[in-house]
Amino acid sequence: GESVGLHLPTLSVQEGDNSIINCAYSNSASDYFIWYKQESGKGPQFIIDIRSNMDKRQGQRVTVLLNKTVKHLSLQIAATQPGDSAVYFCAENQRKDEKLTFGTGTRLTIIP
Amino acid sequence: DAGVIQSPRHEVTEMGQEVTLRCKPISGHDYLFWYRQTMMRGLELLIYFNNNVPIDDSGMPEDRFSAKMPNASFSTLKIQPSEPRDSAVYFCASSLAGMVETQYFGPGTRLLVL
Repeated sequence: GESVGLHLPTLSVQEGDNSIINCAYSNSASDYFIWYKQESGKGPQFIIDIRSNMDKRQGQRVTVLLNKTVKHLSLQIAATQPGDSAVYFCAENQRKDEKLTFGTGTRLTIIP
Repeated sequence: DAGVIQSPRHEVTEMGQEVTLRCKPISGHDYLFWYRQTMMRGLELLIYFNNNVPIDDSGMPEDRFSAKMPNASFSTLKIQPSEPRDSAVYFCASSLAGMVETQYFGPGTRLLVL
C-alpha cells in the first residue's frame, strides 16, 4: 500500500522579512517549552525556551510567545537571513522528568 | 568540548543483519537520550538513561531494539535483526540533570536497511 508521511508545514519568506512559525502543543500539564532548529544533515539545535509562567521571551532576533489558554506557541524570527532556512520544532516538557515531546516541525525557506 | 559524538554517520545494511549505533555524550552530562527520526513519525524518544541507568524505555519499538550504557562516556543502540522499516536517522542527545534546556543533540546516524 501507499505510505503516507507526515505533512510538514512549509513557510517561504523573503530575506529580510519577519517570519512567524506556529505550534500547537498537546499536553496541558506541560510547563516548559523549547524551540529547536534543524538544518539539513544535522541534529536539532536549541534556539530559545520559555516557562509556563511567562507569555513572552526574547532572544537575539527571535521571540517566543506562549498562549496557555489555547495551548499555542509561536516563534518569531526578525529580519530573516538565508541561514535561517531549516526545519523548526517546538518541544514540550513537564518538569517532573527530563523527557521532551517534539512537534511535527515546520520547514522555513528564506528566499534570497 | 566536541559535543555529542555518534558513529557511524551512515550505515547501509541488509535486512536481518545486526546494527550497532554508538554514542559518546558530552562529558559531565548525567542524561543520555536516543531518538529516531522518520518522515512517517517525526522525532520520537526511544529510551533515556540517568547516570548510566535506563529510566524510560517505553519508546523502544520492539524487542529487536536494545540499548546499553556501560559507562558515563559510552552508549550503544542495537537492532537485531534489522528490518527495512528501521531505516531512519537515529540521534543521541545528552543533558545535565534538571536542565532540559541543555539537551544537546549529536549529528545523527543515517541508517538504511535494504
